[in-house]
Amino acid sequence: EDQVTQSPEALRLQEGESSSLNCSYTVSGLRGLFWYRQDPGKGPEFLFTLYSAGEEKEKERLKATLTKKESFLHITAPKPEDSATYLCAVQGYGQNFVFGPGTRLSVLP
Amino acid sequence: GAVVSQHPSRVICKSGTSVKIECRSLDFQATTMFWYRQFPKQSLMLMATSNEGSKATYEQGVEKDKFLINHASLTLSTLTVTSAHPEDSSFYICSARSGGRAGNTIYFGEGSWLTVV
Repeated sequence: EDQVTQSPEALRLQEGESSSLNCSYTVSGLRGLFWYRQDPGKGPEFLFTLYSAGEEKEKERLKATLTKKESFLHITAPKPEDSATYLCAVQGYGQNFVFGPGTRLSVLP
Repeated sequence: GAVVSQHPSRVICKSGTSVKIECRSLDFQATTMFWYRQFPKQSLMLMATSNEGSKATYEQGVEKDKFLINHASLTLSTLTVTSAHPEDSSFYICSARSGGRAGNTIYFGEGSWLTVV
């Protein structure tokens, strides 16, 4: 059974304090690993898709990396507007998308 | 990027009535759409998977007769909450899976807040 866990559950950072969020997964053949950002009361916003171990993608202060067992979302010099819940999802060869529980990030000014 | 539109964004209905929520993929065809429910500060709960032209597949514990899903075209899926009760009040989110040029990615709608009074 495909599974996704995320850690930490919640993270509080000071503005400018870089950190990483973890997404660990087990899947029967990885078709893709996805990162989303969700603001309160809104639908998740797509950030990245990673397809194979070693792949990296960047967008502004965010960088996502992928290994065979986990993905990291690195946040460099975060700003308060980066505060949100970050969701990770995987799609295996069974084609189902499995979401993790998310990490609630708070960036304090 | 691909856009998924959900309507209405907020709806209030009386207990016992039915309410329909629409989910449209605006710039791509979605053979598969998904419906989720989300409680405050909790993760997404998949309710059902909707395939165009066929019956939806419901997750365990989700009442098929209460949450009617129709995916009549490649760009539109609807969720109808029938005989709504206050416990059905929640945030409902749809998503659509793209393929082709946009890649195999799920894009989400903005969500719909349902309040049953």
